[in-house]
Amino acid sequence: SQTIHQWPATLVQPVGSPLSLECTVEGTSNPNLYWYRQAAGRGLQLLFYSVGIGQISSEVPQNLSASRPQDRQFILSSKKLLLSDSGFYLCAWSIRPNQPQHFGDGTRLSIL
Amino acid sequence: GIQVEQSPPDLILQEGANSTLRCNFSDSVNNLQWFHQNPWGQLINLFYIPSGTKQNGRLSATTVATERYSLLYISSSQTTDSGVYFCAVETSGSRLTFGEGTQLTVNP
Repeated sequence: SQTIHQWPATLVQPVGSPLSLECTVEGTSNPNLYWYRQAAGRGLQLLFYSVGIGQISSEVPQNLSASRPQDRQFILSSKKLLLSDSGFYLCAWSIRPNQPQHFGDGTRLSIL
Repeated sequence: GIQVEQSPPDLILQEGANSTLRCNFSDSVNNLQWFHQNPWGQLINLFYIPSGTKQNGRLSATTVATERYSLLYISSSQTTDSGVYFCAVETSGSRLTFGEGTQLTVNP
C-alpha cells in the first residue's frame, strides 16, 4: 500500500534562516505531488504541485520554492524565512488529477 | 476561481446525536473529498465523492453534482468525532480548493 512521509513534524526557525521540508511517497510511481499551507487552523491553500520530476507549478507568489529531484520526493524550501511563513505545511499525493489526494501528517513551522 | 462554502461553521453536539454538514460549491467539479482533521492536525480521508452516495460505518455522504452541493451525515456521534471537517473540490485537475471547515465538538 502507499504511504507518505513528511519531516520534521515540528520546526522552530529564526527569521532570515533557510528552510527545507521533505516529503516522500512509497508504494507508487509517478504520483502527482502537492504542497499546501494551513494558517490559523482553517482552510488549506495550495502552494505548489508537480506532475513529474523537475516539473513544478506555483500557485501563489511567495517566499518559498519547491523541487522534485526524484520521482517520489518533493521538497519545500526557502532561502530566508519571514514571520509570515509560519503555519502548518502539508504534503499530499494522488495517482493522477481528479483522483483522491492523500495527505501526510504535516510540519508545524514557527518563525521567531 | 471556484468558491466552496461550508455550513455550519461550528457545531456542538451531545454524544449520540446525529448531524448533517453541508458543502456548497460554485462550479462543476471533477473531484470532491471530505476530510476530518483531528486535534493533532492529521487530515483523514473520509470520502471521495464527486457524485452519488457512499456510506462508511456511522458516516455517509451524498453529492448532488447538478445542484452543486454535498452533505456529510454523522450518526450516533462520539467524542472521537470531534475536530474540523473539510470539504474540498477539484476542477482543473491540479488543485483542491478547500472550504473553511466545520468545527465539530462532541461532548460526553
